[in-house]
Amino acid sequence: SQKIEQNSEALNIQEGKTATLTCNYTNYSPAYLQWYRQDPGRGPVFLLLIRENEKEKRKERLKVTFDTTLKQSLFHITASQPADSATYLCALVGGFKTIFGAGTRLFVKA
Amino acid sequence: ETGVTQTPRHLVMGMTNKKSLKCEQHLGHNAMYWYKQSAKKPLELMFVYSLEERVENNSVPSRFSPECPNSSHLFLHLHTLQPEDSALYLCASSQARGGSYEQYFGPGTRLTVT
Repeated sequence: SQKIEQNSEALNIQEGKTATLTCNYTNYSPAYLQWYRQDPGRGPVFLLLIRENEKEKRKERLKVTFDTTLKQSLFHITASQPADSATYLCALVGGFKTIFGAGTRLFVKA
Repeated sequence: ETGVTQTPRHLVMGMTNKKSLKCEQHLGHNAMYWYKQSAKKPLELMFVYSLEERVENNSVPSRFSPECPNSSHLFLHLHTLQPEDSALYLCASSQARGGSYEQYFGPGTRLTVT
């Protein structure tokens, strides 16, 4: 069965540094990979998607890479701010069936 | 505001009650989803409707019954639930078939079964 792994440990970084979150998957060949942000008690918010034929995507301070050989995506937040503290979810998309990872909790300390 | 609303935001119900969760999307999307999110677990896809037709049903117990009367509204009818059904229930919508299936979520209904 398909499996997605994200860092289960929370990631603590200092303000201004780059946060890097990892998403690994097995037994799947997704057409797209998406990243979402979720704050406590709220629904996830879509951030970025990357297609299977793309290596890298950027949006403001966010950067996503996608290595279909390694079956891995990296999500970077540059110049991190305390407001970036949240849980970040990766999701594999194959048509209507989207499979989410459990998420990585990020804490950015001022 | 995400354009997807859910009511109620909080619900406490006994195991013998019947209740319904409501979701409405104002984004003009053609697909709607129900997810269950339990503590420290990934979102679990429950049901997907596209153009008011159910296209995914992920082995969900029959005590959960979805209804999609039109492309803007989605309901989840609940009856004889178990305590392990306590969770955050999230509704989402997306533009499918030609879109990238990016989903827009509502704020969720926090359900507690006593």
